[in-house]
Amino acid sequence: GAGVSQSPRYKVAKRGQDVALRCDPISGHVSLFWYQQALGQGPEFLTYFQNEAQLDKSGLPSDRFFAERPEGSVSTLKIQRTQQEDSAVYLCASSLDVGLAGGYEQYFGPGTRLTVT
Amino acid sequence: AQSVTQLGSHVSVSEGALVLLRCNYSSSVPPYLFWYVQYPNQGLQLLLKYTTGATLVKGINGFEAEFKKSETSFHLTKPSAHMSDAAEYFCAVRHNTDKLIFGTGTRLQVFP
Repeated sequence: GAGVSQSPRYKVAKRGQDVALRCDPISGHVSLFWYQQALGQGPEFLTYFQNEAQLDKSGLPSDRFFAERPEGSVSTLKIQRTQQEDSAVYLCASSLDVGLAGGYEQYFGPGTRLTVT
Repeated sequence: AQSVTQLGSHVSVSEGALVLLRCNYSSSVPPYLFWYVQYPNQGLQLLLKYTTGATLVKGINGFEAEFKKSETSFHLTKPSAHMSDAAEYFCAVRHNTDKLIFGTGTRLQVFP
């Protein structure tokens, strides 16, 4: 079956521009996660949705970052007024459920590589 | 709070040699532990996970890991490296709010 897809795969933005990154999770997956992976680092948590509810946004680095999942499926991560330090790979992951009852495994998309010039 | 430490940012082995990638964790609750592999320009793929039960966990591609509570370790091993194993490997612990906390990764190189 289809996995997690993300678009665009690559995005170049000039400093100060707004960007929108899309994530299509696996159909039927309840939970959706966004991570940021800087060059040479491990992924770092940004935010988490259960269906359409954003349950944890503690990892968003500033109020320039905003995420939504209005219908409990597709999610968009928006970054306003991009800065050079926003350059990273943004990974989306989905999970059938949370907790052991759901088997818990996060399936990752290929990521969007954002370069801010 | 949970955290993960991966010792060695780069590991090089010869094809056919033992692979050992080290991971130590810190967790205030019983940990759920994961190893993911990342190939260039791709997302992360789950190799194996430990939740409860047997402490020796077998994963895909011949990898396995052993949960050792006394050593707070979850090292990844493979008896015989293959060229196709060259990739970045990440150890992760599940936070009690379900997000994953990752280590900084270990890049595995395999020489012929």
